[in-house]
Amino acid sequence: EVQLVESGGGLVQPGGSLRLSCAASGFTSSTYWMSWVRQAPGKGLEWVASIKQDGSEKYYVDSVKGRFTISRDNAKKSLYLQMNSLRAEDSAVYYCARVDTMLRGVIIVRYFDYWGQGTQVAVSS
Amino acid sequence: SSELTQDPAVSVALGQTVRITCQGDSLRYYYASWYQQKPGQAPVLVIYDEKNRPSGIPDRFSGSTSGHTASLTITGAQAEDEADYYCSSRDSSGNLFVFGPGTEVTVL
Repeated sequence: EVQLVESGGGLVQPGGSLRLSCAASGFTSSTYWMSWVRQAPGKGLEWVASIKQDGSEKYYVDSVKGRFTISRDNAKKSLYLQMNSLRAEDSAVYYCARVDTMLRGVIIVRYFDYWGQGTQVAVSS
Repeated sequence: SSELTQDPAVSVALGQTVRITCQGDSLRYYYASWYQQKPGQAPVLVIYDEKNRPSGIPDRFSGSTSGHTASLTITGAQAEDEADYYCSSRDSSGNLFVFGPGTEVTVL
C-alpha cells in the first residue's frame, strides 16, 4: 500500500525556517517525480515544488523561488522541503504528493496519484 | 496564460447529473486531472489523463476535453460526492503545475 507521511510542520515566526519531511513507503520512490502542494486555510490547492527522480531537476512556484528548496534522499525514501524566510502567506497545510507519469502519444502526462495527509505550517508572531 | 478557471459552486439533486468545467489555455496542450477533496481530508485523484479513472473510483465519474475546456461529469450523484473538486494541468512550459480554484459541489 502506498503511503506518504509528512512531518515537520509547526508554528514559526515570520522570517523563520522550517524543514518538512515526507516518508514514502509501499512503492519504489526513487522511480517517481515527487511534489509538494499546499493549501492555505479556507483556500484552494497550490502547487509548490517538484523534483525529478534523481534530484537533477527542480521546479518551484514563483512565490517561493529563492526561499524554499525541495530535495530528496532516495536511500531513505524521503522527500524534503526546506522553507526559509517564511511569511504569513506561507501558512498552509503542506501535502506531499507522488507524481505519476505516462506517455500519451508524444505527450508526457503527469498527475498527482497519491497524497499524504498533510502537515500544518503556521507563520505568525 | 497558465491560469485555470472553475465555477465556484454547483449543486445537483441526488441521483442527477452534474458537470464541472475547467478552462485554461494550457488545456489545449496538456491533459487535465481532477481531484476530490472532502473537509479535513487530503485530495484524492478521481480522473487523470483527461478521462481515466484510478482503481476504486466509481464509474459515475467521467472526464472529457474540448478545446481549452476540461469537464468532470458525475452521472447519478450520490451524497458522498459532496466535496470540493479541483482540476490541474501543467503550464505552458510543461515544467510547472497549476490548479484551478476549485468547485464546491453540493448534493441536494
